[in-house]
Amino acid sequence: DGGITQSPKYLFRKEGQNVTLSCEQNLNHDAMYWYRQDPGQGLRLIYYSQIVNDFQKGDIAEGYSVSREKKESFPLTVTSAQKNPTAFYLCASSVAVTYNEQFFGPGTRLTVL
Amino acid sequence: DQQVKQNSPSLSVQEGRISILNCDYTNSMFDYFLWYKKYPAEGPTFLISISSIKDKNEDGRFTVFLNKSAKHLSLHIVPSQPGDSAVYFCAARANFGNEKLTFGTGTRLTIIP
Repeated sequence: DGGITQSPKYLFRKEGQNVTLSCEQNLNHDAMYWYRQDPGQGLRLIYYSQIVNDFQKGDIAEGYSVSREKKESFPLTVTSAQKNPTAFYLCASSVAVTYNEQFFGPGTRLTVL
Repeated sequence: DQQVKQNSPSLSVQEGRISILNCDYTNSMFDYFLWYKKYPAEGPTFLISISSIKDKNEDGRFTVFLNKSAKHLSLHIVPSQPGDSAVYFCAARANFGNEKLTFGTGTRLTIIP
């Protein structure tokens, strides 16, 4: 059963701590993305990756870091430098960056206390 | 600068009637448009798309209309059903290079039984 998994669904962290959000896909997609959703706002792109060992900054990359060591995995680290980390984080993938349709995971709600 | 705008944050429609969700864009380089549907605490799911070479695309109860001169697209749902209650995002991209999707802020549709 192909798809995108994100874990955990809910995550709580203390202010000042780094936290890593997991994203795995078994769709054999080359491109992967991280978005952030805040109330009343659209999905804003944090980072994306076209292929393994490559990634590009999106619109709001400050305070975040990513890695793409495997095709299936694209973890996102929310660092202590991110000023407003509490949000709903969505991972997505597509066949390629040039391919229009993106498939989304179920999301992770991060709350920083 | 919000290049994709959904000016109605919410919309309520009686069950069985037509729901019309609107989306405006400012970037004339956009030539592919998508609608996503999102339930609370879940990732968005792809609904329907349209290329700029068309002005209408239909899939069952869902029809998307594109007016390039007005830089406007709309999603029609007929007839509306309770399961259609969700947040709807429109997204757009310019189909050259590695352009990313740009999402609107979403419209929350509530279908009243």
